[in-house]
Amino acid sequence: RKEVEQDPGPFNVPEGATVAFNCTYSNSASQSFFWYRQDCRKEPKLLMSVYSSGNEDGRFTAQLNRASQYISLLIRDSKLSDSATYLCVVSAGGSYIPTFGRGTSLIVHP
Amino acid sequence: DGGITQSPKYLFRKEGQNVTLSCEQNLNHDAMYWYRQDPGQGLRLIYYSQIVNDFQKGDIAEGYSVSREKKESFPLTVTSAQKNPTAFYLCATTPRTGHTEAFFGQGTRLTVV
Repeated sequence: RKEVEQDPGPFNVPEGATVAFNCTYSNSASQSFFWYRQDCRKEPKLLMSVYSSGNEDGRFTAQLNRASQYISLLIRDSKLSDSATYLCVVSAGGSYIPTFGRGTSLIVHP
Repeated sequence: DGGITQSPKYLFRKEGQNVTLSCEQNLNHDAMYWYRQDPGQGLRLIYYSQIVNDFQKGDIAEGYSVSREKKESFPLTVTSAQKNPTAFYLCATTPRTGHTEAFFGQGTRLTVV
């Protein structure tokens, strides 16, 4: 079983739609959780950290479920510019080595 | 400005050659990482270093070597033993402790010709 798993998609949605991605992790000692965005042929960039209580940044909401070992990302009112690959990143306490999922591709169309 | 600089941006390697990818940071971060990304895939860890003069193998270290002689620098050598080196290589850093995100360089795209 991979340490961090994501549905690769693609998720193909119209502008204005709401879309959600999930990511599961296998290491119960994981302590840090992040969502990154990666545009084609570019480096990943931090979208948002994920906190135990859940957190929101504009149209983006991230949640953590420790009991079921998954994190989620919800995007409301999708824009064409949201088209990208979204990477789930998890790191365990102690080493803090970032471990990446393979990413979920989102395509927002007019 | 603080950041991570990878060079070159594009690199072409002939069969049987060793090549070295540069990664320099001025963020004063202790930990540095090298990842490889293949098309449609996530990032796989090659090597990491959490302190100067020490480094550890990641999941796919075979055919690669690194050094960490200075805090600011973590070069990656792709040796001729790496049979399929064509990929996008990303260098990242984190502070040694704390729940903080990884910061990335702009990447080096290596192609075997």
